[in-house]
Amino acid sequence: KQEVTQIPAALSVPEGENLVLNCSFTDSAIYNLQWFRQDPGKGLTSLLLIQSSQREQTSGRLNASLDKSSGRSTLYIAASQPGDSATYLCAVEGDSSYKLIFGSGTRLLVRP
Amino acid sequence: SAVISQKPSRDICQRGTSLTIQCQVDSQVTMMFWYRQQPGQSLTLIATANQGSEATYESGFVIDKFPISRPNLTFSTLTVSNMSPEDSSIYLCSVDKRGEGRETQYFGPGTRLLVL
Repeated sequence: KQEVTQIPAALSVPEGENLVLNCSFTDSAIYNLQWFRQDPGKGLTSLLLIQSSQREQTSGRLNASLDKSSGRSTLYIAASQPGDSATYLCAVEGDSSYKLIFGSGTRLLVRP
Repeated sequence: SAVISQKPSRDICQRGTSLTIQCQVDSQVTMMFWYRQQPGQSLTLIATANQGSEATYESGFVIDKFPISRPNLTFSTLTVSNMSPEDSSIYLCSVDKRGEGRETQYFGPGTRLLVL
C-alpha cells in the first residue's frame, strides 16, 4: 500500500530565504508525482507535475526533483515571499489508476 | 483547465442529519472524484463518480454512508449521511482532464463541514 510522507509538517522562514520541502513515498511504481498548493477556501492548485521518467521540473522560483528509486521528491522554493505562505501537498499517482495518494502536507509561513 | 464550483462552501450540521454537497464543472469531464480531508490530515479518496453507473468506492467508504450521484458529465453530488462529529472534514471534488492531454487533476474549493 502506497504511503506518502512529508517533512517538515510546518515551516516558518523570513522573506527571501531559499527553502526545501521533502516528500517520500513507499512504492516506487508510480506514474507521476505532483506538488500542489492549498490555500484556505480555494481548493488545490497544481504547481508542478513530474512524470516517472523525469528527474525534475521547474516553474519560476519553484523546482521539483524526483528520485523514483529512493522514493523521494523535493520542492525547492527560491527567494521566498509572503505570498508563498500556504500548505504544500505532495501526491503520487500509481501505475494502474488515476488515484492520487496525498501526503499530509507542509504548512509554510513566510514572514515579511 | 477546468473551473469547479462546490456548494455549500461550508456548513454546520447536527449529528444524525445528512448533507448533500454539489460539484459543478464548467466543461464535460469523464472522471470526477470525491476526496475527504480530515483536520490535520491528508486528502483521502472517497470514490470515483461514474456517469450513468454506480460510483466506485475506496476501501473504508460505503455507499450507504456516502451516496454519490452523477447525472451528467458536468455535475455530481456527494451526500454525507447520518453524520457524526467524526465526519467533520473538508470535502473536495476533482476532475481529471487526461483525455484532453492534461495530466493533472483540478480541484474544487472544497466544502468545510462541522458536525456538532
